[in-house]
Amino acid sequence: DTEVTQTPKHLVMGMTNKKSLKCEQHMGHRAMYWYKQKAKKPPELMFVYSYEKLSINESVPSRFSPECPNSSLLNLHLHALQPEDSALYLCASSQTSGLQETQYFGPGTRLLVL
Amino acid sequence: RKEVEQDPGPFNVPEGATVAFNCTYSNSASQSFFWYRQDCRKEPKLLMSVYSSGNEDGRFTAQLNRASQYISLLIRDSKLSDSATYLCVVLFSSGTYKYIFGTGTRLKVLA
Repeated sequence: DTEVTQTPKHLVMGMTNKKSLKCEQHMGHRAMYWYKQKAKKPPELMFVYSYEKLSINESVPSRFSPECPNSSLLNLHLHALQPEDSALYLCASSQTSGLQETQYFGPGTRLLVL
Repeated sequence: RKEVEQDPGPFNVPEGATVAFNCTYSNSASQSFFWYRQDCRKEPKLLMSVYSSGNEDGRFTAQLNRASQYISLLIRDSKLSDSATYLCVVLFSSGTYKYIFGTGTRLKVLA
C-alpha cells in the first residue's frame, strides 16, 4: 500500500479564517513534505519533516504553520491567507529523507482563498 | 538559471510515435534523478527512477548523463493514455536532501 491521504479535497476560505489541512500515511515513512502547486507550474517545496522534526522550511510565510503530531500525520495550519495562496497543496512522504528515496504524493487539497 | 530545466512543450505526437524529453540540471551535487507523471488536476506519480547505467521499463527508457548534467526519457509506441505532464525531479544534498522539480513537459498523444 503506497497511499497518502489528504483531507479535505477542496477548501474555500476567507482571508480571516483559520483552517487546517491534514495528511496521513501508514507506510512507516519517516519523512513527510508539504508542497504548493499553482496551475501549470511544478510543485514547490514548502516544508520537510524528518523523524517528526522540521528539517526544511523554504522561507514560507508564517501564515502557514506545519505540525507533525506523530510519524503518520502531518498538518498544515492556515491563518490570514491571501488570495494568491490559492493553489493545490500536496503532501508527500518517503521512507527517509535520504538518497534515492521515492516520494509518494497524496491527491492534494485544492484551496481557494477569497 | 533554473536548477532543473525542461522544454514545457506541448509535444503533440500521433499514436505509435516515439517521443523523447530532455531535462538539464545545474547543480553538480545532484545525486538522484526521477521522472514523475502528472495528469491534469491529479498528483504527481513516480514513473521511474533514473540510474547511471540507464534503465528501461516497458516502453519507457531513462538515461542519465552526469558529465553533461542531463537526463532523458524516451517513450516508444505512444498511447493515448500517455498524455500527461512529465516532471523531471532531481534530488540533491546541501546538508539536507531536497527534491527540485523541473517545470514539466506536456505531452499530448493524438488518435
